[in-house]
Amino acid sequence: QSVLTQPPSASGTPGQRVTISCSGSSSNIGSNYVYWYQQLPGTAPKLLIYRNNQRPSGVPDRFSGSKSGTSASLAISGLRSEDEADYYCAAWDDSLSGSPYVFGTGTKVTVL
Amino acid sequence: QVQLVQSGAEVKKPGASVKVSCKASGYTFTGYYMHWVRQAPGQGLEWMGRINPNSGGTNYAQKFQGRVTMTRDTSISTAYMELSRLRSDDTAVYYCARENSSGYYGMDVWGQGTTVTVSS
Repeated sequence: QSVLTQPPSASGTPGQRVTISCSGSSSNIGSNYVYWYQQLPGTAPKLLIYRNNQRPSGVPDRFSGSKSGTSASLAISGLRSEDEADYYCAAWDDSLSGSPYVFGTGTKVTVL
Repeated sequence: QVQLVQSGAEVKKPGASVKVSCKASGYTFTGYYMHWVRQAPGQGLEWMGRINPNSGGTNYAQKFQGRVTMTRDTSISTAYMELSRLRSDDTAVYYCARENSSGYYGMDVWGQGTTVTVSS
């Protein structure tokens, strides 16, 4: 059972802006960096955002990350059909039980 | 080019063990942690643990403590994940993924995944 909670789904039409939330706690998001991964159907995940809001080279600037307190968000602006995928947030967790690294529950983005 | 190539699909019986390999190329193997992440059919991502290929040090998720062993062979730039006492709910795709050991750059390169099926 994941300790990072995401909405199960989000959708938008091409060109729209879509935002995905990720809710955690003081032991994970509240005290550590947040990462975002995109998983296209049938493929391995891909790193989209690291250190809360940094994009690896090659990731379009349509993708942006932010963090406030114990929550984080991923925004996709200018939504495109190829953005239809599952998105996961992740963070290290400092609590002594469970997993030192946790993924969110995942959000499926649909382009209408 | 930088890549991680994993071993092929496995079918195992309950109670058996499986060992998945992940061969790295195109970068300095000892400069990056290797994480292992699994995904059950239709489910989300689950972190299993990581190994520091330089020191051999490991961190495991509590859920897998006692059942998982992560090792590496630096001479052939390969990391291994062995999971024992397999159960049907261990059926999943297992991924390796690297992360720069200088800190907090995320898992930027992933293997193609290895499907492990546990069935009697």
